[in-house]
Amino acid sequence: EVQLVESGGGLVKPGGSLRLSCAASGFTFSNAWMSWVRQAPGKGLEWVGRIKSKTDGGTTDYAAPVKGRFTISRDDSKNTLYLQMNSLKTEDTAVYYCTTMDRGGSYPPRGLFDYWGQGTLVTVSS
Amino acid sequence: DIQMTQSPSSLSASVGDRVTITCQASQDISNYLNWYQQKPGKAPKLLIYDASNLETGVPSRFSGSGSGTDFTFTISSLQPEDIATYYCQQYDNRITFGQGTRLEIK
Repeated sequence: EVQLVESGGGLVKPGGSLRLSCAASGFTFSNAWMSWVRQAPGKGLEWVGRIKSKTDGGTTDYAAPVKGRFTISRDDSKNTLYLQMNSLKTEDTAVYYCTTMDRGGSYPPRGLFDYWGQGTLVTVSS
Repeated sequence: DIQMTQSPSSLSASVGDRVTITCQASQDISNYLNWYQQKPGKAPKLLIYDASNLETGVPSRFSGSGSGTDFTFTISSLQPEDIATYYCQQYDNRITFGQGTRLEIK
């Protein structure tokens, strides 16, 4: 059974930093393309960014609002995905979800999110 | 970025009703369009991928159609457990979501 468990959320002041983690199990993490998706309170879903598997180059891509401030990385030895968030703004307040991308076996993986974690809340406030 | 416009933003329907949600892309996205269901306090769940393909395990009362810029999501016979917010999402160019449609029981 695929499981994604996020952690690391909390309250941080504007301009501060936070690192989220996502522990993965139930699938071959090293082969997976992974994403972060966020949802501000009472609002819709917003894609944050994506990291490819290392065999596919391990490259990252980010949405415009977070580019240059957020960094996605992975540790395949620990089956863990990370989201390093710097220069945080109040508008970054959201639940952050870790997702797999197209574990159904299509190659290259399509831009769909088939497994989701439960989310972790990040609140940016003074 | 490609803009995704869903309509309506909310709707109220009765159990057994046929429910339709539309999603319009700001440019041609072929069939690179997915639909998700999100229940309150829960993570979203993938229902339909590539415009019309039902994800494994999803009830057959859910369906999707369309290509290019205009897409439709349908629940053929609304059930009480279908109360949720539904989102479309494109992946032709980067990734963007529609603003969501909140579905309530009348």
